[in-house]
Amino acid sequence: KNEVEQSPQNLTAQEGEFITINCSYSVGISALHWLQQHPGGGIVSLFMLSSGKKKHGRLIATINIQEKHSSLHITASHPRDSAVYICAVLNYGGSQGNLIFGKGTKLSVKP
Amino acid sequence: EPEVTQTPSHQVTQMGQEVILRCVPISNHLYFYWYRQILGQKVEFLVSFYNNEISEKSEIFDDQFSVERPDGSNFTLKIRSTKLEDSAMYFCASSQRRGSVRTQLYGYTFGSGTRLTVV
Repeated sequence: KNEVEQSPQNLTAQEGEFITINCSYSVGISALHWLQQHPGGGIVSLFMLSSGKKKHGRLIATINIQEKHSSLHITASHPRDSAVYICAVLNYGGSQGNLIFGKGTKLSVKP
Repeated sequence: EPEVTQTPSHQVTQMGQEVILRCVPISNHLYFYWYRQILGQKVEFLVSFYNNEISEKSEIFDDQFSVERPDGSNFTLKIRSTKLEDSAMYFCASSQRRGSVRTQLYGYTFGSGTRLTVV
């Protein structure tokens, strides 16, 4: 069983739509990352959070530690938001900081 | 904004050859990592490095692989006797502190990756 599950795997949206990507994990964590990967392959960190909610521009990330669930929301989506969004968790206890990754959600925003 | 720098961006090598992938972590970070992503698959942890030694490694990181911090700035991944299945994107990352719920978390930053193609 995968320790980090993301849904959906693929998502197509029209420009302007509100988007939600979900992440569930089965291990105890100290933090969760939301990452963005563009077609060129580079990974950019969007958020690192261990509780509550964070907002940056049109992006909002929430986490519920008790339910082992996090969501990434994009408001007023734009074609430039098209990318793979990856959830990765920092395992708590014993880990030296290595992340466990989900498979990613491929988002395509149409104009 | 500080960056993790990786070179080269793309490396093509013959099967059986040795390659060295280079990374310059953020200068005040103490923890360094290598990850890889085979095309179409998820990113996988290879190794973490702290205080000039390996602190954790995955089962992928066998005797074919080694890491080194030869000077105060570079962090390298050496792959000996490359195989076709080593073809992947290799990402370096660094962080200022190991994650813990009791401490403030400091920027975990990825490099832009080295695409390794073994032919």
